[in-house]
Amino acid sequence: EAGVAQSPRYKIIEKRQSVAFWCNPISGHATLYWYQQILGQGPKLLIQFQNNGVVDDSQLPKDRFSAERLKGVDSTLKIQPAKLEDSAVYLCASRPSGANVLTFGAGSRLTVL
Amino acid sequence: AQSVTQLDSQVPVFEEAPVELRCNYSSSVSVYLFWYVQYPNQGLQLLLKYLSGSTLVKGINGFEAEFNKSQTSFHLRKPSVHISDTAEYFCAVAERNKLTFGTGTQLKVEL
Repeated sequence: EAGVAQSPRYKIIEKRQSVAFWCNPISGHATLYWYQQILGQGPKLLIQFQNNGVVDDSQLPKDRFSAERLKGVDSTLKIQPAKLEDSAVYLCASRPSGANVLTFGAGSRLTVL
Repeated sequence: AQSVTQLDSQVPVFEEAPVELRCNYSSSVSVYLFWYVQYPNQGLQLLLKYLSGSTLVKGINGFEAEFNKSQTSFHLRKPSVHISDTAEYFCAVAERNKLTFGTGTQLKVEL
């Protein structure tokens, strides 16, 4: 089966600019996650979707980050305006209902200058 | 709230030597435990998981881990490492479908 697809793989922007990342989960996976991985740290959950509804966004900086999962399939994570500390790899993962294992995409590496 | 502690940020080891990467967790309820591996510029790949049953879990690439409830540990082991095992290893705990990661251990295998 195809894996979790993410784009772009790399993005460099200036601070205060905006950026968007796209994720296409494995077909049929109801749950989708966005994680932020800062260099030297473990991934941190930003937001979790169940179909097109938000399950957990308690660690999403809502003043600048937003995410949506229209139609319960693809998802987009947006940062506006970006700060230097947003430099990180943004990982998307998905999981089918009833399963306990997440499958991760290759990630989108953001550099904010 | 659950948390994961990986005690070693870096572990250097010679090829064909055994290795143990340590992981301790805290949680107020029953948990599921995982080890993921991350190669440079790649996403996370599942190595192995503990959901229930036998406390000794075998995974891919010759890795295994032992769940110790009394010590709240889930250490990862391999009896003989290869150069290709050089990567970052993350321990994670899942509680109510929320996955929390440790800070990672960089395994560097040297000739």
